[in-house]
Amino acid sequence: KAGVTQTPRYLIKTRGQQVTLSCSPISGHRSVSWYQQTPGQGLQFLFEYFSETQRNKGNFPGRFSGRQFSNSRSEMNVSTLELGDSALYLCASRGGTGGETQYFGPGTRLLVL
Amino acid sequence: QKEVEQNSGPLSVPEGAIASLNCTYSDRGSQSFFWYRQYSGKSPELIMSIYSNGDKEDGRFTAQLNKASQYVSLLIRDSQPSDSATYLCAHHAGNNRKLIWGLGTSLAVNP
Repeated sequence: KAGVTQTPRYLIKTRGQQVTLSCSPISGHRSVSWYQQTPGQGLQFLFEYFSETQRNKGNFPGRFSGRQFSNSRSEMNVSTLELGDSALYLCASRGGTGGETQYFGPGTRLLVL
Repeated sequence: QKEVEQNSGPLSVPEGAIASLNCTYSDRGSQSFFWYRQYSGKSPELIMSIYSNGDKEDGRFTAQLNKASQYVSLLIRDSQPSDSATYLCAHHAGNNRKLIWGLGTSLAVNP
């Protein structure tokens, strides 16, 4: 069974631009969570989607948004990028026979210049 | 008080020794607990999940859960240099089942 995939893997943007990241969960998983990780900050929860509905949300500004499609694929969007948005963005899926365990994708490394 | 607390380390152990990683949490209603390993520049990967009080063993890894004392630990026997990584503790909290993460403990196994 294929794992969680994320595209793109690396991205360089400039301040003020917007970016869209994509995540395809493990087949059969209906929950997709997004995290931001920066050195020393640990995993910061952005949001979780389940069956196209946002189920949980972290403490991030409205510039961060997401959505989930009927095939469980998810996208997250960051508008008006700031230098502090430079981070590793991780997507994790869970569900099916995996139960509550989250399985992570390889991440998208975003650099904002 | 942080919801999940881990000693940030670095924890340094010699090759072949037992590494002991600890995690405390504040939500008494938590039922599911997880240990993940994260190598530098990589994404977290699951080592073990534990749901019941007591020990759970998987190869060189043993997770220990004590709900009354609100802690979960991970023991790594016969530590290898390849075990050098950051170990993240997480648990599900609340009715919305959000996964709460610790900041992780950095482990260095010295040859």
